[in-house]
Amino acid sequence: AQSVTQPDIHITVSEGASLELRCNYSYGATPYLFWYVQSPGQGLQLLLKYFSGDTLVQGIKGFEAEFKRSQSSFNLRKPSVHWSDAAEYFCALYGGATNKLIFGTGTLLAVQP
Amino acid sequence: GAGVSQSPSNKVTEKGKDVELRCDPISGHTALYWYRQSLGQGLEFLIYFQGNSAPDKSGLPSDRFSAERTGGSVSTLTIQRTQQEDSAVYLCASSSWTSSYEQYFGPGTRLTVT
Repeated sequence: AQSVTQPDIHITVSEGASLELRCNYSYGATPYLFWYVQSPGQGLQLLLKYFSGDTLVQGIKGFEAEFKRSQSSFNLRKPSVHWSDAAEYFCALYGGATNKLIFGTGTLLAVQP
Repeated sequence: GAGVSQSPSNKVTEKGKDVELRCDPISGHTALYWYRQSLGQGLEFLIYFQGNSAPDKSGLPSDRFSAERTGGSVSTLTIQRTQQEDSAVYLCASSSWTSSYEQYFGPGTRLTVT
């Protein structure tokens, strides 16, 4: 079955600290993977995507993610978090022939001053 | 350029009434999706349109939900006889023919059924 798991519901980090948000997936072939961010009252903004090739992908706002096939993971990272990064982050898997995105349950990030 | 737009941004309705939610996709995008975001269910796929093909309605939760796409552009999601469990944020997304996996989302419509 196709699924996405985000183990951390809520994470708090201090401003300037590094960040890693976890994402694990289940898919029978090479996955297309995405990270989206949602600020309160807003829609989903695409941060970055992985289709193939380099396993370390760069995105907007200084985010990057690393695809690890052996661990079925696609973790999101940022070296230094800014207060404006406080939001909810969703990992998603493209379901291939189903043409839909399968989302994780999201991780809510809080940033302490 | 302009992104995906949705209207209204907020809708409050009484249980049993019908509601219509509108989505304007990115110009030139042939694929259009509706998703629902609710506290209990997270983000769920509802329906998918691609060009003139028959839509994939596999995610619609009941026959009270329907959607149409006129002229291959604007889409309307209709919920008949609304129930309290329909309260959610309804998100629309669009993508191009060549990159259907790369979906761009609108700001959503927050529906509250009282």
